[in-house]
Amino acid sequence: DTGVSQDPRHKITKRGQNVTFRCDPISEHNRLYWYRQTLGQGPEFLTYFQNEAQLEKSRLLSDRFSAERPKGSFSTLEIQRTEQGDSAMYLCASSLDGARNSPLHFGNGTRLTVT
Amino acid sequence: AQKITQTQPGMFVQEKEAVTLDCTYDTSDPSYGLFWYKQPSSGEMIFLIYQGSYDQQNATEGRYSLNFQKARKSANLVISASQLGDSAMYFCARAGGTSYGKLTFGQGTILTVHP
Repeated sequence: DTGVSQDPRHKITKRGQNVTFRCDPISEHNRLYWYRQTLGQGPEFLTYFQNEAQLEKSRLLSDRFSAERPKGSFSTLEIQRTEQGDSAMYLCASSLDGARNSPLHFGNGTRLTVT
Repeated sequence: AQKITQTQPGMFVQEKEAVTLDCTYDTSDPSYGLFWYKQPSSGEMIFLIYQGSYDQQNATEGRYSLNFQKARKSANLVISASQLGDSAMYFCARAGGTSYGKLTFGQGTILTVHP
């Protein structure tokens, strides 16, 4: 079990550029989640996948954000035309299933800074 | 919005002493789960303990226990025999309804353990 891995760890980009983050979940986990965490706050839910199907998206996820999980394994989160307000830590998590006692296992996150 | 409230922005405890971190929650779901996560300065979110709303007994995991008072809608985390490595941010989170991986987090409590 190598845990959830995210790449890159840090990303600095200029406003208006597009960025893409990758998440590799724990291999046997079929649920994958994206959260966003700003400084001093708890993480906020963005979206989640059951295998390759995206089942729910938060209202926080504007149309500049898109997430995919094409083969039900790794996932990507793309932000188009980045804005300074997008600066945050983007956390990926996975769980075995959606059972109530199936905890989320988080990666170390990708810290995005938009200048 | 169904909120999670952590009223203690910061807590201090002496090494080897016990400490209680407070958490209260709103919910209209008859079935829900409560989680505690630890976030050290390195950024990863570490799952500590889970309590189901229908569980008859308070959850325990090693030095962590959860003081669950359903009628008061509180789920306080108790850390016994604090260690220096316990210094971190602690988040309470609730999952409910049909999306058990969609967690709502509180704002967190920073715990500092003094030698």
